[in-house]
Amino acid sequence: EAQVTQNPRYLITVTGKKLTVTCSQNMNHEYMSWYRQDPGLGLRQIYYSMNVEVTDKGDVPEGYKVSRKEKRNFPLILESPSPNQTSLYFCASSQGGLIFQPQHFGDGTRLSIL
Amino acid sequence: KNEVEQSPQNLTAQEEEFITINCSYSVGISALHWLQQHPGGGIVSLFMLSSGKKKHGRLIATINIQEKHSSLHITASHPRDSAVYICAVSSPGSNYQLIWGAGTKLIIKP
Repeated sequence: EAQVTQNPRYLITVTGKKLTVTCSQNMNHEYMSWYRQDPGLGLRQIYYSMNVEVTDKGDVPEGYKVSRKEKRNFPLILESPSPNQTSLYFCASSQGGLIFQPQHFGDGTRLSIL
Repeated sequence: KNEVEQSPQNLTAQEEEFITINCSYSVGISALHWLQQHPGGGIVSLFMLSSGKKKHGRLIATINIQEKHSSLHITASHPRDSAVYICAVSSPGSNYQLIWGAGTKLIIKP
């Protein structure tokens, strides 16, 4: 089954404790992206990757890191999480660019930073 | 002013009603996307269009490029259609990023 898998689905942690949210897709997609969703603000893009070893900042990259060493994986790293990074996070993938390619989304990761 | 505006923000209707959700944008676009976010959080891409009209089951999406406006219609609405519907646009020259609307929360009552 074609899917984007995020882990963990839920995480409560404390300020400053490094964490990684994993994202894996099994569709051989070139494009992958991370979003955060906050009430009243909609979806905002954090980072995206056009292909292996090619990443770029989205609209809200501060406090996050990403890497794309393999086509299927695109982990999101919070080196020193802070409470303002409490949010619902989505990973998505697409065959190519976003003009006429649908994005496939993971189920989301709800992060709470205390 | 946001570049992509949706209306209404919230919509409650009775089962079987015809539903219309609107999306207006102020930028030039290559394509417009409609997505659905279920109450559990999952997001699904419904339509991508750059002109005319597309139909999938009871869902119809239309776009008017001159007026910079798109509508998502649901015919014979059902409680399972309750979700947040999100409009997003891709701009020419920006193949890897979308400009997102804030979403319309739809509740269909039985």
